[in-house]
Amino acid sequence: EADIYQTPRYLVIGTGKKITLECSQTMGHDKMYWYQQDPGMELHLIHYSYGVNSTEKGDLSSESTVSRIRTEHFPLTLESARPSHTSQYLCASSSPQGSEKLFFGSGTQLSVL
Amino acid sequence: QKEVEQDPGPLSVPEGAIVSLNCTYSNSAFQYFMWYRQYSRKGPELLMYTYSSGNKEDGRFTAQVDKSSKYISLFIRDSQPSDSATYLCAMSAGGYNKLIFGAGTRLAVHP
Repeated sequence: EADIYQTPRYLVIGTGKKITLECSQTMGHDKMYWYQQDPGMELHLIHYSYGVNSTEKGDLSSESTVSRIRTEHFPLTLESARPSHTSQYLCASSSPQGSEKLFFGSGTQLSVL
Repeated sequence: QKEVEQDPGPLSVPEGAIVSLNCTYSNSAFQYFMWYRQYSRKGPELLMYTYSSGNKEDGRFTAQVDKSSKYISLFIRDSQPSDSATYLCAMSAGGYNKLIFGAGTRLAVHP
């Protein structure tokens, strides 16, 4: 079973607050990803990283930022949360040998009031 | 037009039925084809992985890829209530190209 963890599982927060969604994996994977998922919609890639100190924006424009200071840790930060940020955020990782095979965390369901 | 189209469902079938889930795509460069299963309030998990065309079988699950028709399918035999989940197709051209996901088909298998 994949070892990738996301915290918190659920977060309800007021507009304007700064939030950080945590993601950690213990598989030593170089590649990590953040996806946004809304009900009945495709997963959209918002950020990815191919290793330490490497971060890129994905296909879906996002006001969030990410950092990759350690291989196992890939947090996502929203400086000022808005209701439009309400969504499920999924973190994933993959190994260099099988970069199409993603291992996902259980997700963080974010609700901004 | 979306690169990947997936029948939205939802599908509701009785236990023991054969289920067919399908996706079509437009990008002929796609070489890697996957099916992910996502239970409620969980992240997706990789169910089937296929490279290029052909069939792949794993227990009750069979994945088919027809690159000439740009069409992939997942068959579930002897479906069980535990198969109730959303099934996402995903595909990639490989290398540094990103995975493109379908919107998912929600399946309910009732006893």
